[in-house]
Amino acid sequence: NAGVTQTPKFQVLKTGQSMTLQCAQDMNHEYMSWYRQDPGMGLRLIHYSVGAGITDQGEVPNGYNVSRSTTEDFPLRLLSAAPSQTSVYFCASRTDTNYGYTFGSGTRLTVV
Amino acid sequence: GESVGLHLPTLSVQEGDNSIINCAYSNSASDYFIWYKQESGKGPQFIIDIRSNMDKRQGQRVTVLLNKTVKHLSLQIAATQPGDSAVYFCAENMKSGNQFYFGTGTSLTVIP
Repeated sequence: NAGVTQTPKFQVLKTGQSMTLQCAQDMNHEYMSWYRQDPGMGLRLIHYSVGAGITDQGEVPNGYNVSRSTTEDFPLRLLSAAPSQTSVYFCASRTDTNYGYTFGSGTRLTVV
Repeated sequence: GESVGLHLPTLSVQEGDNSIINCAYSNSASDYFIWYKQESGKGPQFIIDIRSNMDKRQGQRVTVLLNKTVKHLSLQIAATQPGDSAVYFCAENMKSGNQFYFGTGTSLTVIP
């Protein structure tokens, strides 16, 4: 099993550009989430999904969109990148009975 | 809103000593807690969890203690090893909901 795979690992964007961060898991987990990690602020939930076709907002959803067309994939879209979105982004998944998330290795995004 | 905080942002211990990492939470409705370990450049890794109907739970070299009276959580690592050097996060979940709230993390450095 590959676990949770995130691509790309690094990305630099210009302000106003859009892009999609990819996340895929091969563990047949129902729950998937996107977090951002900023220095001194821990991990904050952006969006999450409890199954294919179902998504919901987390703590800091503004500026991001998600979709969940399959169980395996949960892409995160930045609509118009802003410097405030410079962060490390983590995708995570879990089953509906085991609350311990499995995290991907992260995408480090810089918006200039 | 939720808040999960750590008492000490950094902790240095001698190899072989025991480590104690503390976490305070503010929401008395939280009923599930997880400790994660994050090594540099990697995603958080699940260490151990505990539900609010327990006071203590042990794993391999790790013990989590929960004091609901003062809303305090601690992670004890026995015989700390250099490989334990990492940032440790606690996370809380309220009533089996979908959102986990993470603390800001404690950086543990093990001195050989």
